[in-house]
Amino acid sequence: GESVGLHLPTLSVQEGDNSIINCAYSNSASDYFIWYKQESGKGPQFIIDIRSNMDKRQGQRVTVLLNKTVKHLSLQIAATQPGDSAVYFCAENTHQNSGYSTLTFGKGTMLLVSP
Amino acid sequence: ETGVTQSPTHLIKTRGQQVTLRCSSQSGHNTVSWYQQALGQGPQFIFQYYREEENGRGNFPPRFSGLQFPNYSSELNVNALELDDSALYLCASRRGQSYEQYFGPGTRLTVT
Repeated sequence: GESVGLHLPTLSVQEGDNSIINCAYSNSASDYFIWYKQESGKGPQFIIDIRSNMDKRQGQRVTVLLNKTVKHLSLQIAATQPGDSAVYFCAENTHQNSGYSTLTFGKGTMLLVSP
Repeated sequence: ETGVTQSPTHLIKTRGQQVTLRCSSQSGHNTVSWYQQALGQGPQFIFQYYREEENGRGNFPPRFSGLQFPNYSSELNVNALELDDSALYLCASRRGQSYEQYFGPGTRLTVT
């Protein structure tokens, strides 16, 4: 499949390491944040989300941290595996004046996991 | 799998032509959003349909238009194709304005 990772920041780790991917978001009014994983040739796949009234949420092997003071999100992946290799995007959900909400995506980070 | 399907998978068009892309949303999802993802970039919001009406639009010209049908499936139409329209087009469905959106696999459009 085609690559979605050209010109993206890249994080290279060894299998078994912990990975941390960072993201800065733009809108202080955003109320919900999501991390997506995108493999080559596929659409974004939901990993974990967090609402703005929280600062940490844990899933299976993944943790999201939210720092609203500096508008920063991070995704921590424990015991990274080769199957985690993909491009990771953060997205913020913002409500528009007309009542609908939209997702605004960050630029993405490519995670490369070597055995 | 998310239950969201898109067709076709790949498409090659010539500059100036028109294209229609299709999306079938997850069962029960009445809101469909379309995104454009250029190579090496994050998806960018094009527009959103809720119960057959467009209720939100991003920074895209009017030659990008859409439809949503009574069964909540959707089409994205692009007229007068330009080279810069080459991208992966993604649709995402959800129930109402719920937070979780489910993405399809995308249609890769190449304009030559």
